[in-house]
Amino acid sequence: GAVVSQHPSRVICKSGTSVKIECRSLDFQATTMFWYRQFPKKSLMLMATSNEGSKATYEQGVEKDKFLINHASLTLSTLTVTSAHPEDSSFYICSAREGSVGYGYTFGSGTRLTVV
Amino acid sequence: GESVGLHLPTLSVQEGDNSIINCAYSNSASDYFIWYKQESGKGPQFIIDIRSNMDKRQGQRVTVLLNKTVKHLSLQIAATQPGDSAVYFCAENSGGSNYKLTFGKGTLLTVNP
Repeated sequence: GAVVSQHPSRVICKSGTSVKIECRSLDFQATTMFWYRQFPKKSLMLMATSNEGSKATYEQGVEKDKFLINHASLTLSTLTVTSAHPEDSSFYICSAREGSVGYGYTFGSGTRLTVV
Repeated sequence: GESVGLHLPTLSVQEGDNSIINCAYSNSASDYFIWYKQESGKGPQFIIDIRSNMDKRQGQRVTVLLNKTVKHLSLQIAATQPGDSAVYFCAENSGGSNYKLTFGKGTLLTVNP
């Protein structure tokens, strides 16, 4: 079945630094990738949607300059948290959709970001 | 005291019992729904899906019911096992070219042996 690899699974960084999270579709071409953020005991909140080769579409309230998304190929999307602060600490999850299979979504295993 | 909003709705059942988890969705234009299971520290795991032209779909030990009139979705788990303990989310696709999913609040299911 479809597999999405998300890396790293955990990262600790200092305030003011930037962190990059990668999301790769291993056995299919991801027409669209989604990035979610999840706080403890809360639901997944969609941050942005990215289509290969075009700019990401951000949800209302998500700072595009803070959360940089790149979807340069059909198998890789990256989320960069720039100038991270402790309030950016969260669980980030990506999802990929293969355009040819209708609604098929595959989720990564998530990245736990802790900013100290 | 703590705000109710900080805690997920919870459902506690005995092993072997049937579980019913409910979800109210928001968009009457949504045409596709998915139930996910999420274990602590992991990404969501697909359980079962249903399109809006159906009102019931069955899988292995799971059944999803859709009531479009009241915008309600339910997940029934038969013979619940300790391994079913997790947070369960419903998600809806409200159409559009990007097929984005909107997740519900989630329910924490605890199965007691």
